Amino acid sequence: DTGVSQNPRHKITKRGQNVTFRCDPISEHNRLYWYRQTLGQGPEFLTYFQNEAQLEKSRLLSDRFSAERPKGSFSTLEIQRTEQGDSAMYLCASSPMTGHYTFGSGTRLTVV
Amino acid sequence: QKEVEQDPGPLSVPEGAIVSLNCTYSNSAFQYFMWYRQYSRKGPELLMYTYSSGNKEDGRFTAQVDKSSKYISLFIRDSQPSDSATYLCAMSVWNYGGATNKLIFGTGTLLAVQP
Repeated sequence: DTGVSQNPRHKITKRGQNVTFRCDPISEHNRLYWYRQTLGQGPEFLTYFQNEAQLEKSRLLSDRFSAERPKGSFSTLEIQRTEQGDSAMYLCASSPMTGHYTFGSGTRLTVV
Repeated sequence: QKEVEQDPGPLSVPEGAIVSLNCTYSNSAFQYFMWYRQYSRKGPELLMYTYSSGNKEDGRFTAQVDKSSKYISLFIRDSQPSDSATYLCAMSVWNYGGATNKLIFGTGTLLAVQP
């Protein structure tokens, strides 16, 4: 197992376009988390899944954002109608039920 | 007021110096305290964690928690150029059953250790 994998590593998109990111967690981890990190700030919680159930969503996750984790394996985060303010690093992490997070290297989104 | 405040830095120290990184928090329900290290263009990696007030040591790193003052610190002894990174404090409420959920992070302190 090579850890948490995120793709793509970098995405440049035009304002108004839709983008989708993928996260492959550590296989035995049943919890999966999405965070957003802007320059000079710490990561901010967006949402988390326990298996396939989305258990909590932040107010940061506007109606343009949607996350899924079908079958409790990989997860996708989609942003519709991107805005320049969406430019950030999107981090995925996974953990066992009782244990620590392992973060991926993130997807850096640039909206031009 | 943010739930977690972190000294922003940046910090620049000579190799071999002792480094002190600090965070304060306002939510007395936080019971689980962590320090993460983040290299440029990478995700955060867990350095140390603790649940109780007092000191916890791991090699050159010491994590200190003072719940009465709502203050946590990370000390790095004999700092090395390879320690140059952003250091993030993080906290969470410890749920029933011991499962962690969301972490609240500080803004991070950028540390540069000069050879």
